[in-house]
Amino acid sequence: DTAVSQTPKYLVTQMGNDKSIKCEQNLGHDTMYWYKQDSKKFLKIMFSYNNKELIINETVPNRFSPKSPDKAHLNLHINSLELGDSAVYFCASSRTGNLYEQFFGPGTRLTVL
Amino acid sequence: AQKITQTQPGMFVQEKEAVTLDCTYDTSDPSYGLFWYKQPSSGEMIFLIYQGSYDQQNATEGRYSLNFQKARKSANLVISASQLGDSAMYFCAMREVMTTDSWGKLQFGAGTQVVVTP
Repeated sequence: DTAVSQTPKYLVTQMGNDKSIKCEQNLGHDTMYWYKQDSKKFLKIMFSYNNKELIINETVPNRFSPKSPDKAHLNLHINSLELGDSAVYFCASSRTGNLYEQFFGPGTRLTVL
Repeated sequence: AQKITQTQPGMFVQEKEAVTLDCTYDTSDPSYGLFWYKQPSSGEMIFLIYQGSYDQQNATEGRYSLNFQKARKSANLVISASQLGDSAMYFCAMREVMTTDSWGKLQFGAGTQVVVTP
C-alpha cells in the first residue's frame, strides 16, 4: 500500500558516473516533486511537474534531468556525478493547489565517492 | 531571503511534557499554507499538520496542534504529552499561492531536533 515509492533507497557510485532514481506514486496526484536534503538536513525543491509538464526548475545544474513518463512517475537522471551531489533525494506528490499536503517517498541516499 | 525561520536548532523534553516548536514565516501573499513535517532518524518525511492562511481556527491533529498567529506570522507546533517516539527532526514549511514562480513548492525551515528523554 506504499503511497510514494522510490528506488533505489541507497546509491553509492563513483564520480563521473550517470545514475537514475525512480519515483512512483499511487495516490492519483497530478503534481510531483524532487527535493534535495543536504548534509545539514536542509530541504530544497529541485523540480516540480504537473500533469507531466515541468513547472519548477530551481536553477539545478543541467546534469540533472527529470522525466515524467506519466502522472504517476517522475524519475531523476543525473549525469557526470560530482562529490557535491551526495545528499538524500526525496520524491513527493500532491494534489494541485497550495492547500494540499505533499506526501514524500522514503528518500534515496546518494553517495558519490 | 529565508522565508521560514526555525530558531531552535535542538531541544530536550521530558516524556509526558508538552513542547512548543517555533516557526515564523515571511510572505506577502494573502493565500498560503503552513505545514509541519516530522523526520525520524529512519529518514522518512511524515506530514503532521496543516494550517491555511484563511483558517479561523488553529489546526489540531491528535497530540499535535498549531498555534497560528497571523499578525505575527508565526505557526508554532505544540506537541502535547511527549512520547519517546516523538524524538525526531521537525520541519516547518510554507506553500505560497500558486503562480508560475512558486507552483506548489514547499519552502522549508532549517528544522528543530527534538529529543524526548524518559
